[in-house]
Amino acid sequence: ELVLTQSPATLSLSPGEGATLSCRASQSLSSSLAWYQQKPGQAPRLLIFDASDRAAGVPARFSGSGSGTDFTLTISSLEPEDFAVYYCHLRRHWPWESTFGPGTKVDIK
Amino acid sequence: QVQLWESGPGLLRPSETLSLTCTVSRYSISDGSYWTWIRQPPGKGLEWIGTISHTGTTFYNPSLRSRLTISLDTSKNQFSLTVTSVAVADTAVYFCAREASNYPPDYWGQGTLVSVSS
Repeated sequence: ELVLTQSPATLSLSPGEGATLSCRASQSLSSSLAWYQQKPGQAPRLLIFDASDRAAGVPARFSGSGSGTDFTLTISSLEPEDFAVYYCHLRRHWPWESTFGPGTKVDIK
Repeated sequence: QVQLWESGPGLLRPSETLSLTCTVSRYSISDGSYWTWIRQPPGKGLEWIGTISHTGTTFYNPSLRSRLTISLDTSKNQFSLTVTSVAVADTAVYFCAREASNYPPDYWGQGTLVSVSS
């Protein structure tokens, strides 16, 4: 079973500050690690795929890194619209299995 | 741009069967991609339910497998989720989404709230 852990659970920051979110996988797999942003009442929005590739339309202040079991999402300078919950996601291709981390909430300090 | 939207009953009693449909527009579900259901209990995180390929091969969350069926209706460009014997713990917003073979879920429906209560 794939298990993802995220830290911290909550990150309290001010606009303009940088944010570093961590995601750790229970198994070392290929880099099919993705990051999503979710705001209240909305579906998740894909930000990063394959650990470090930005999805279409995602601002350059969002970047992903990591491999193996440890991954990071970095927001270089927080904009007001970036305060949200962030989930990491991992999918194993065979046998197919998909899992999300528990999320990190980035809120305004 | 691919669009998806979920439809189905908003309220169920325990032990009943949940049936949801996801309608897809601007993309033929038989042309490729994988079609996924994900849910989110109120105030909690995301849980993968299961996925069906455009050829009908299914993949289910092991913790839910015994109660799940996901199917395609290519004539209506829809795919569906059935969950039997629902309980209060199945109360959640249910999302449908598209994902490619080597790409995570990218297009999502807006989600539909399903409440299970006696």
